[in-house]
Amino acid sequence: DTEVTQTPKHLVMGMTNKKSLKCEQHMGHRAMYWYKQKAKKPPELMFVYSYEKLSINESVPSRFSPECPNSSLLNLHLHALQPEDSALYLCASRFIAGGGTDTQYFGPGTRLTVL
Amino acid sequence: SQQGEEDPQALSIQEGENATMNCSYKTSINNLQWYRQNSGRGLVHLILIRSNEREKHSGRLRVTLDTSKKSSSLLITASRAADTASYFCASRSGAGSYQLTFGKGTKLSVIP
Repeated sequence: DTEVTQTPKHLVMGMTNKKSLKCEQHMGHRAMYWYKQKAKKPPELMFVYSYEKLSINESVPSRFSPECPNSSLLNLHLHALQPEDSALYLCASRFIAGGGTDTQYFGPGTRLTVL
Repeated sequence: SQQGEEDPQALSIQEGENATMNCSYKTSINNLQWYRQNSGRGLVHLILIRSNEREKHSGRLRVTLDTSKKSSSLLITASRAADTASYFCASRSGAGSYQLTFGKGTKLSVIP
């Protein structure tokens, strides 16, 4: 199973709402990522978890709160977002290993619209 | 941070033609990868080339790497309408680095 799943596919929320994005993989990968992608732009790294611990936070505003409850699951909690946060949010995972296994597997993304 | 620059930004070709996309990067790398993204979907890994490799093939894909020029190219031969997508290069600076640095991408349109 080389699949990363993300739910929901689409999310519309108001600026006062609290919502969560979910990402799941069962490939045994111990590095998991959140990216934000605006239209016609490359993905921008937000967070990296390594062995369920936050290892990289790319100066993301606190209205985005990541969580890694276990090695298969990654959440992104959203609160008090702004319209400019509307984007495609991508989750990815990969092995932490040498020997050439360096592929990052991406989920299909959650299309977020903030009204 | 984004360090790669891709060229061209957009490319339109007829089905059956070859498509070449170029990527430049700024710092030394451990490997360079190419990904495809269909409109509004996730990225799919296509091919990886290591810093000590110069050329790699996978099916209709051919990737070259010139570390002296800090550049890479992706060639898709005998293109198909299904190849229509955005293509991104992504570099990893070190073997222990968690981060991929993405290029700006090339939007390829293959006209049937």
